[in-house]
Order: sequence, then structure tokens, then C-alpha cells
Amino acid sequence: AQTVTQSQPEMSVQEAETVTLSCTYDTSENNYYLFWYKQPPSRQMILVIRQEAYKQQNATENRFSVNFQKAAKSFSLKISDSQLGDTAMYFCAFMKPVGGSNYKLTFGKGTLLTVNP
Amino acid sequence: NAGVTQTPKFRILKIGQSMTLQCTQDMNHNYMYWYRQDPGMGLKLIYYSVGAGITDKGEVPNGYNVSRSTTEDFPLRLELAAPSQTSVYFCASSYSGTPGRQPQHFGDGTRLSIL
Repeated sequence: AQTVTQSQPEMSVQEAETVTLSCTYDTSENNYYLFWYKQPPSRQMILVIRQEAYKQQNATENRFSVNFQKAAKSFSLKISDSQLGDTAMYFCAFMKPVGGSNYKLTFGKGTLLTVNP
Repeated sequence: NAGVTQTPKFRILKIGQSMTLQCTQDMNHNYMYWYRQDPGMGLKLIYYSVGAGITDKGEVPNGYNVSRSTTEDFPLRLELAAPSQTSVYFCASSYSGTPGRQPQHFGDGTRLSIL
């Protein structure tokens, strides 16, 4: 079974600084996808960034970037120039094919990030 | 374009009551999903659908039922509410094809309490 582990239940960072959220996963699959989702206090889930496992290049979206280490099964999220609006719960997620054109999404338990002024 | 819309946003049920959580999307997505999120936990997949008329169980389907009569709608039914079903429920949708290139779009969630 696939598992996604986020070892940091809570983190805090000062505004404008950089923070890295950790995520590791366990799978025997070779073809899969990884995501970081943000859930602010409004509870809506927002996709932050995605990574295809077959791509060696790390994904980047503005201030958000990942460090994808496939051999180590690690997928950390770096947030640069942190802003107060980045305060949220961050979920790492793993998606793999489960037969035909069907896929299964597995989430970690989340890391609560607080950006302090 | 409203995206994924869930109703209601909040609901309190008594043990043994039944209810339907509504989910509709206007993006013509083939894939739709229901998740539940317990405190401090990640989302767990309840049911999903790859198209109208097709549904399948996820990780935690017991106590729930779904139907997918149209592309737009994917209601989740609780027949006999139990305290263990107290949770926040999220509906999501995505295009078919390669999911890694087509992210899931989530609704705002429904907070359900069973007392």
C-alpha cells in the first residue's frame, strides 16, 4: 500500500523568509504523480504544485518549488519570500494508476504552516 | 464558471438519520471524487467516478453510497448516520486522461456532525 508521510505537524516562518516542508512516500510504482495542496482556514483545497515522477527536473510555480528525489522517495516543498497569505495546512499527495484509466490519490496528514509578521 | 459546488456547507444529523451531500461541477470533467477529512488527517477517498453511470469504491466506502446519473452531479448518500461519520467532506473533479497534468479541483467542503 502507498503511504505518504509528512513528519512536521507544524512549522512557522517569518514573513519574507524561506521555509521547506518535508514529504516522503513509499511505493513500488515507477509511474506516478506527486502534488502539494494548500488548505487555508477557508478549508478549500488549492493545488500548489505538481510533479510527474518521470521528470527529473524539479517543478516550480512562482515562489513555490519542489525538491524531488525519486530514489530517496522524497518530495519537499520550498516556499520562498513567505507571505502572510501562505498560512495554511499543506498536504502532500501521491497519485498512481490503479488499472485502466483509473487513479488513486493518497494524502499525507498535513503540515500546518504559520507565517509570522 | 463556478467550478465544484458542494451543498450544504454545514449540517448536524442525529444518529440513524439519512442525508445526501450534493456536488456539482460545471467544467465538464469526467472524473469526480468524494473525500472525507478527519481532524489532523489527510483526505481519504470514499468513492469516485470516471464518468456518468460508472462509480467505484475508494479507501473508506462503508456507510456511504453514490450515484452518477449525469456528468455534472455526484451526490453522496449517508443512509444511517453514525458518529464515526462526523467529518469534513470534500468533492473534487478532474479531466480524464493523465491526472498529473489535470489537477483535481475541490469544492469548499461540507462539515457534517453526527450527534
